[in-house]
Amino acid sequence: GENVEQHPSTLSVQEGDSAVIKCTYSDSASNYFPWYKQELGKGPQLIIDIRSNVGEKKDQRIAVTLNKTAKHFSLHITETQPEDSAVYFCAASFPNAGNMLTFGGGTRLMVKP
Amino acid sequence: EPEVTQTPSHQVTQMGQEVILRCVPISNHLYFYWYRQILGQKVEFLVSFYNNEISEKSEIFDDQFSVERPDGSNFTLKIRSTKLEDSAMYFCASTQFSGANVLTFGAGSRLTVL
Repeated sequence: GENVEQHPSTLSVQEGDSAVIKCTYSDSASNYFPWYKQELGKGPQLIIDIRSNVGEKKDQRIAVTLNKTAKHFSLHITETQPEDSAVYFCAASFPNAGNMLTFGGGTRLMVKP
Repeated sequence: EPEVTQTPSHQVTQMGQEVILRCVPISNHLYFYWYRQILGQKVEFLVSFYNNEISEKSEIFDDQFSVERPDGSNFTLKIRSTKLEDSAMYFCASTQFSGANVLTFGAGSRLTVL
């Protein structure tokens, strides 16, 4: 079945440093890759997404890159702040499975002040 | 900003009892979803719903689960006879368009089965 792997499971950085989270997916037909941020006690909130016709997308301190050949995509957060601390999930949409999202296992990001 | 609202925020129930989780999707959205997250694990797809029918469902969504949109506003998930392993956060999500599009998630309903 469809599979999304996410690494690392935990990431601790100093405030101001960059954080990178990586995901791989199984189905080369996948065409939509969102990233969600989940704070304690809340539902996942979309922070950025990328479609398969684009290699990179940036929104202020957040960027996502996509390598379709290698079937992996990454989230980059620059100048991290304590409020970036949360669990981040990557996801991929699989057209052969009704376009439902399959999520990665999550990365707990801790930004130390 | 439009929100997906879910009730209850937390429900505790005895094993074998029926549970109904409720969701009010964003008003102009047409596609609705339930996802589940067992504590500390990944978010897992349960079911998608469009035009008053189930579109897709996962292996998790067995005969103990059902969904309906009883009144054109609420979207409900029913678990007929809860098991201990049903304890999880249940997230409702909705989107306006079909295909690969942005899902808006609710804050979740925490179900604890004793």
